[in-house]
Amino acid sequence: GEDVEQSLFLSVREGDSSVINCTYTDSSSTYLYWYKQEPGAGLQLLTYIFSNMDMKQDQRLTVLLNKKDKHLSLRIADTQTGDSAIYFCAESIRGNKLVFGAGTILRVKS
Amino acid sequence: GAGVSQSPSNKVTEKGKDVELRCDPISGHTALYWYRQSLGQGLEFLIYFQGNSAPDKSGLPSDRFSAERTGGSVSTLTIQRTQQEDSAVYLCASSLGASGSYEQYFGPGTRLTVT
Repeated sequence: GEDVEQSLFLSVREGDSSVINCTYTDSSSTYLYWYKQEPGAGLQLLTYIFSNMDMKQDQRLTVLLNKKDKHLSLRIADTQTGDSAIYFCAESIRGNKLVFGAGTILRVKS
Repeated sequence: GAGVSQSPSNKVTEKGKDVELRCDPISGHTALYWYRQSLGQGLEFLIYFQGNSAPDKSGLPSDRFSAERTGGSVSTLTIQRTQQEDSAVYLCASSLGASGSYEQYFGPGTRLTVT
């Protein structure tokens, strides 16, 4: 079946690292994504990782993929107040439709 | 350049009425998707169009929901005999192609409230 799970809430202090975790069930997923949604705004793609990779780094963002455990994480280094948002993990099913997790609310305290 | 646009941005309708939601994808994008975001269900896939292929309707929750894509561009999502559980934000996305390597660009959404 298709199911993506993530923790609902994370609170960190400004300057600390944030780690948001996600598990998925479809082993045939070829791409896994992290989207960001700020209040009143649309979904913005932050980064994605291909399933044959185990790590991808993009500036302050690091994505780790453990395909054996079907576990994906997003690390945000030096978290800023502007990073406060909802973060969605998603997997692509059969190359097209996205299955999303419920979203993790990241709150950054100054 | 212009992104994905959706109209209306907000729609309030009475239970039992029909509604039409419109999506204008990014020019040149062959793939178009509809999702909805609601408190109870999170973000759910509804339907997907790719070029002239038959759409993937596997996510439509009931036969009250239908969608068209005319001329490979603009799409309309129609909900007939709306129910209160249809209240949600309806999101449209488009991408250059159907492979997962193509980023899906999302519109701002239409917030539908059924009273």
